[in-house]
Order: sequence, then structure tokens, then C-alpha cells
Amino acid sequence: NAGVTQTPKFRVLKTGQSMTLLCAQDMNHEYMYWYRQDPGMGLRLIHYSVGEGTTAKGEVPDGYNVSRLKKQNFLLGLESAAPSQTSVYFCASSYSREQFFGPGTRLTVL
Amino acid sequence: DQQVKQNSPSLSVQEGRISILNCDYTNSMFDYFLWYKKYPAEGPTFLISISSIKDKNEDGRFTVFLNKSAKHLSLHIVPSQPGDSAVYFCAATENNAGNMLTFGGGTRLMVKP
Repeated sequence: NAGVTQTPKFRVLKTGQSMTLLCAQDMNHEYMYWYRQDPGMGLRLIHYSVGEGTTAKGEVPDGYNVSRLKKQNFLLGLESAAPSQTSVYFCASSYSREQFFGPGTRLTVL
Repeated sequence: DQQVKQNSPSLSVQEGRISILNCDYTNSMFDYFLWYKKYPAEGPTFLISISSIKDKNEDGRFTVFLNKSAKHLSLHIVPSQPGDSAVYFCAATENNAGNMLTFGGGTRLMVKP
């Protein structure tokens, strides 16, 4: 099992550009999450999903959109990137309270 | 307002000694607590957890203690090894939170040989 995978690993964007981060899990988990990690602030929840076709806002959802068209995939979109979105993004999945994390995507917005 | 706080950004310990990482929380509805370990350029990995019905949980060299009245938990690593050098996050959740976790800011542990 690959667990949770994220694509791409690194990306540099210019302000105003758009992009989509892909998260895939092969553990048949119902729950999936997108976090961002910034120095000293831990992991902050952006959006999450409790099942295929459902999404909900987390703590810091502004500037991001998500979709969960298939149970195994959870996409995070940035429609118009801003320098404040420079961060490391982690996807996670779970069937209970223990979450399993992907390796992260380092995004820089210039 | 941060509901989960790790007040020590970093901790340095000699190999073989005990490492104690602390975490405080404010939400009295939290009933399950987890510790995650994160190496550079990797995602966090689950380490150990504790339910609010317990005050201690042990797994090998790792023990988590929970003091509900003080809203405080700690992770003890004995003996500390250089491979334990990483960032440790504590996290908390409550029964009706849909498995969502609230994370602390993390503590960087450095274990010196």
C-alpha cells in the first residue's frame, strides 16, 4: 500500500496563477483533510471531507477550494495564488481519530 | 485563540536522558489526544495517543501523561536517542468533531549524541 500520496512535491507560482494539488489514498478511508503548515503555527485545517461528494470548511479556508469526486482522491485548488499562500501543504486521511499524512507539497508564491 | 499550545519551540537533550515535551489545551470538550512526530521533508506520523478516561498510556520508550484538571499533557521519551530528533506535534479532538484534529505549534527536539 502506498498510503497517502501527494502531487506535486514542489511548485513555484507567480501571484495570480492557479494550480491544483492532488491527494490520493489507497486505504479506503472516508475522511480526508487538507492542512497547511507554517513556522510556529502547527498544522491548520483548510478543508476536509467526510465522504465522497462532500466537502466542508476548516479553520483557514479562504482562497482555497476543494473537490472529492472519488473516494480515494481529494483535490485542493488555488484559483488566484497570493504570497500569503506560500506554505507546506499536507493531505491526510482517516477512518477514525488517527490521521495518516502524505509527504507534503512545498508551494512558493512569488 | 489557539486551543492547543506547545509553549516550548525547541528542546535539546543528551542521548540516554529523558525528553519531556509539554502541551496545554483550553477546550474542556477535548476527549482524545495524540502525538505526532515529523522529520524534515516528510509528513507527520502518528506516535501515541490517550483517551481522557486514562491518565497514562505507554508504548515502549514513549509515555503520554494526561492531567485533565490542569488541561495538560506531556510526552516522555526514555531513553532519548539521536533518531528521536524531530518536530513533535500534540493534537486534540472531541467526540463530535468528525475526527478533526486541532494541532499545537510543535516542539523541535534535538537529541545530542
